[in-house]
Amino acid sequence: GAGVSQSPSNKVTEKGKDVELRCDPISGHTALYWYRQSLGQGLEFLIYFQGNSAPDKSGLPSDRFSAERTGGSVSTLTIQRTQQEDSAVYLCASSFRGGRPSSYNEQFFGPGTRLTVL
Amino acid sequence: EDKVVQSPLSLVVHEGDTVTLNCSYEVTNFRSLLWYKQEKKAPTFLFMLTSSGIEKKSGRLSSILDKKELFSILNITATQTGDSAIYLCAVPVYGQNFVFGPGTRLSVLP
Repeated sequence: GAGVSQSPSNKVTEKGKDVELRCDPISGHTALYWYRQSLGQGLEFLIYFQGNSAPDKSGLPSDRFSAERTGGSVSTLTIQRTQQEDSAVYLCASSFRGGRPSSYNEQFFGPGTRLTVL
Repeated sequence: EDKVVQSPLSLVVHEGDTVTLNCSYEVTNFRSLLWYKQEKKAPTFLFMLTSSGIEKKSGRLSSILDKKELFSILNITATQTGDSAIYLCAVPVYGQNFVFGPGTRLSVLP
């Protein structure tokens, strides 16, 4: 079946503009994660959605960042008033979080969106 | 604060060499440790380790966990140029869900 998809694959924007990044998780996956990876850095957790629960937003770096997940499926990460330090690859992952709350299920990553803020 | 550290950060070897990548962690409520390979943008899953001393193996790759000393190693034998990638170590933690290490950038020269 289809994997996680993200769009756009590349986005170049000017400082101060707003951007929206989209993630389509694997059908049936209840958990969705957003990460970002700056040049030469590791993956930085941003936000996590699990079913109908309130999202874990603890990784969002500032109030310019927000995300929503509609209908338990597609998610949009919005960055307002972009800054040059927002330039990074934004990765989305999904997993099926069944079983015990403490159980882990493999994350499947999308291809990412490379954001460049000029 | 939950933390995952990897070493070395960068490694250059020649084809046929064997490499060992290290991952150490300090997290509360440890459950498992995962290894990923990242070649372009999306990481791909390699191993999940939950028990100490039990080696996981897939072809030329193997990994083992030491929960007493809080580390894991990833071994790659007879390296090939296709093994060139960033190898990421990650630990699920409560709430935030995953903490990733900075990765080891492996370059395998022909």
